[in-house]
Amino acid sequence: GENVEQHPSTLSVQEGDSAVIKCTYSDSASNYFPWYKQELGKGPQLIIDIRSNVGEKKDQRIAVTLNKTAKHFSLHITETQPEDSAVYFCAASVTGTASKLTFGTGTRLQVTL
Amino acid sequence: SQTIHQWPATLVQPVGSPLSLECTVEGTSNPNLYWYRQAAGRGLQLLFYSVGIGQISSEVPQNLSASRPQDRQFILSSKKLLLSDSGFYLCAWSVARPGEQYFGPGTRLTVT
Repeated sequence: GENVEQHPSTLSVQEGDSAVIKCTYSDSASNYFPWYKQELGKGPQLIIDIRSNVGEKKDQRIAVTLNKTAKHFSLHITETQPEDSAVYFCAASVTGTASKLTFGTGTRLQVTL
Repeated sequence: SQTIHQWPATLVQPVGSPLSLECTVEGTSNPNLYWYRQAAGRGLQLLFYSVGIGQISSEVPQNLSASRPQDRQFILSSKKLLLSDSGFYLCAWSVARPGEQYFGPGTRLTVT
């Protein structure tokens, strides 16, 4: 089955700096890669995703890149703000009838003033 | 717009007691439904998924079970809870765009 590795497990940046979180996946058939943000005590929130026919996608201060050959994808957050502090999860899926997601282990991002 | 509800929000149960967690989705029809468990400080583990009424697939063998009695209702159950069943249980739904899953607010279960 699919295996997703995520690094780093914790990341501390100063407000205004950029943050990068990286994930690798094992199943070359995976074609959908979402990123979730989870605040303490809440359910994960889908913040951005990318499909295998696209190399990069941006939404305001966040962007995701995908390298299918190397089987890795990354989340980039620019101009970080304190409200970006949360746990971020990457995931991978082969879309189909069930479209099951395999999650990484999460990155705790702390944005300091 | 679509919304997903989970209840209860928190639950404290003794070892050996039964469990029933409920998830309902509003504003859509025939969604895929998923149950995940998240241990403290850990990632999300898929427990069950359902692509239609009465269709349940199990990902991890354990003392939990799931049922889907109605199109937009998903229930997670156990006859006898174990200490290891403690965790944050999340329900998710998916429809339309393949792969996109949206999570509910979760249920925090503590087994004592």
